[in-house]
Amino acid sequence: QQQVKQSPQSLIVQKGGISIINCAYENTAFDYFPWYQQFPGKGPALLIAIRPDVSEKKEGRFTISFNKSAKQFSLHIMDSQPGDSATYFCAATSNSGGSNYKLTFGKGTLLTVNP
Amino acid sequence: EAGVAQSPRYKIIEKRQSVAFWCNPISGHATLYWYQQILGQGPKLLIQFQNNGVVDDSQLPKDRFSAERLKGVDSTLKIQPAKLEDSAVYLCASSYGPLGVIGADTQYFGPGTRLTVL
Repeated sequence: QQQVKQSPQSLIVQKGGISIINCAYENTAFDYFPWYQQFPGKGPALLIAIRPDVSEKKEGRFTISFNKSAKQFSLHIMDSQPGDSATYFCAATSNSGGSNYKLTFGKGTLLTVNP
Repeated sequence: EAGVAQSPRYKIIEKRQSVAFWCNPISGHATLYWYQQILGQGPKLLIQFQNNGVVDDSQLPKDRFSAERLKGVDSTLKIQPAKLEDSAVYLCASSYGPLGVIGADTQYFGPGTRLTVL
């Protein structure tokens, strides 16, 4: 089964610090790597995504770093704020056969940013 | 723009009972997904619709789960009979187009229905 392995399971960061969450995958057919943010009682929301033709993508305080040869990608949250406290999921897509793609999610990282 | 609506938000049932969840996607979104999110895990795709046709139901336990999307708009997911291991949050998501269609494939999730099977 296609898998995306996410670490750490939980992370505690001080306000203003850098939060780093890592994901690794095996399937070289994966070609779209989104990160989702989920607050308690809410559905996941797309935060930032990258395609394998670039090694880095930055949107505000959020950056994805992508290492195609190592089959790893990571989320960096700069200047972490208490409002960033949430569960973060990495995901990847591949063609599941025919023309359809589907998302495979990691198990999630619970980020707590202390004030 | 209104988001993805789901109801009910919470449901508690006994095992072997049946339950149904409803989802109304964002207006104009042709693709609709149902995910199961077990506590401590990422969402797992159960079924994907493109308009009113099923695109992928490979991970749907078809002996007990069923889903439909009549008229290509809202959708229902049913479990009959429920088992203890079905306790989870059931998420509905929609997108303008299917994954792989760059610029149209962002999935927007509803708040989910938390199901507890006793």
